[in-house]
Amino acid sequence: DQQVKQNSPSLSVQEGRISILNCDYTNSMFDYFLWYKKYPAEGPTFLISISSIKDKNEDGRFTVFLNKSAKHLSLHIVPSQPGDSAVYFCAASAPGVTSYGKLTFGQGTILTVHP
Amino acid sequence: DAGITQSPRHKVTETGTPVTLRCHQTENHRYMYWYRQDPGHGLRLIHYSYGVKDTDKGEVSDGYSVSRSKTEDFLLTLESATSSQTSVYFCAISDRNQPQHFGDGTRLSIL
Repeated sequence: DQQVKQNSPSLSVQEGRISILNCDYTNSMFDYFLWYKKYPAEGPTFLISISSIKDKNEDGRFTVFLNKSAKHLSLHIVPSQPGDSAVYFCAASAPGVTSYGKLTFGQGTILTVHP
Repeated sequence: DAGITQSPRHKVTETGTPVTLRCHQTENHRYMYWYRQDPGHGLRLIHYSYGVKDTDKGEVSDGYSVSRSKTEDFLLTLESATSSQTSVYFCAISDRNQPQHFGDGTRLSIL
């Protein structure tokens, strides 16, 4: 039972254009969402996060949108750069003392930005 | 990266042998996690720790055990390795209200 899904295995965009990566979740207890970026042979790197009390969070070229009613979040990268080419994972967590920080990940989306 | 060291970085072993992976942190963070990454599955939580000697199971804990005898070290043990445990293993650390930071992974092949 995949509670966090990234239905697009890959995405290809032109440098300078917008990249939109999507993520859907099924567990209504999730209240904190994150995006990670991963290069080959490295660990995932934290990119941006959003709490369920917000519907948007922005950090430079990266913006995450959360639609709680649709159980959907998206990551927008504007403008896209070749260095953004990587695998992007969305992740979610639910509240609780001993479950704090336990993340459920999506399958990942490979983003390729062409010069 | 973020004071996390995983060892070994690569290991090849045979079915039925015990394997221990080590995660060492220098950040004094309370929480530590072990994940495995497989194609089509993203990262899946194996076990996690919320303090010294405090551990709990994650989503895919069967066949794995963990120990945390001091804050900086979190060990993952495969008691009797199977080919289905061939994977890339990532350790992560965090503190309250902070996102998890990951090590660079251990690539484990079980023949």
